[in-house]
Amino acid sequence: AQKVTQAQTEISVVEKEDVTLDCVYETRDTTYYLFWYKQPPSGELVFLIRRNSFDEQNEISGRYSWNFQKSTSSFNFTITASQVVDSAVYFCALSEGQGAQKLVFGQGTRLTINP
Amino acid sequence: DGGITQSPKYLFRKEGQNVTLSCEQNLNHDAMYWYRQDPGQGLRLIYYSQIVNDFQKGDIAEGYSVSREKKESFPLTVTSAQKNPTAFYLCASSVSITGRVDQPQHFGDGTRLSIL
Repeated sequence: AQKVTQAQTEISVVEKEDVTLDCVYETRDTTYYLFWYKQPPSGELVFLIRRNSFDEQNEISGRYSWNFQKSTSSFNFTITASQVVDSAVYFCALSEGQGAQKLVFGQGTRLTINP
Repeated sequence: DGGITQSPKYLFRKEGQNVTLSCEQNLNHDAMYWYRQDPGQGLRLIYYSQIVNDFQKGDIAEGYSVSREKKESFPLTVTSAQKNPTAFYLCASSVSITGRVDQPQHFGDGTRLSIL
């Protein structure tokens, strides 16, 4: 069975600090997709990034970066020079590589950036 | 702007009552989903639909029902059989399920359901 674990329930840092959100996954599939979503206080989930199991290249988008390591089944998310607007709940999710797309979500990490 | 509209934003249910949550999308997406979110937990899949007039149960379908009569609409009914309905409900859509499992899902703003 697939499983996603976000061990950090809550993280609180001061603005401008760097912060890393951990995500560990379990799957028997050789083809799968990993996602990160942001849930601001308004409630909707905002898509941040997608990574497939064949592409271990790290990605950087502005202050955001993602580190995908198949050897440790991890897909960690780092925010550099955090800002108050980054405060939200962040979810990591896993999808099988075939058939219907049924996302399996982690429990989420509540990130609070203090001014 | 294209997007997903959920209504109402807040909903209250009396004991023994069925309530229906609305979800409409104008993204021309084939696939639609319903999730339940409990405090401090991740999202769990209730139902999903790949095409009109077809839908499948997710992980926690008991006590819920859906219909998909139009591509744009995927309403969720919380029946009286759902004994613990208090939660935040999110609707999502994606380009297509079959063969495009890499496509991200787009989410609505959610409906918060409470018991009176």
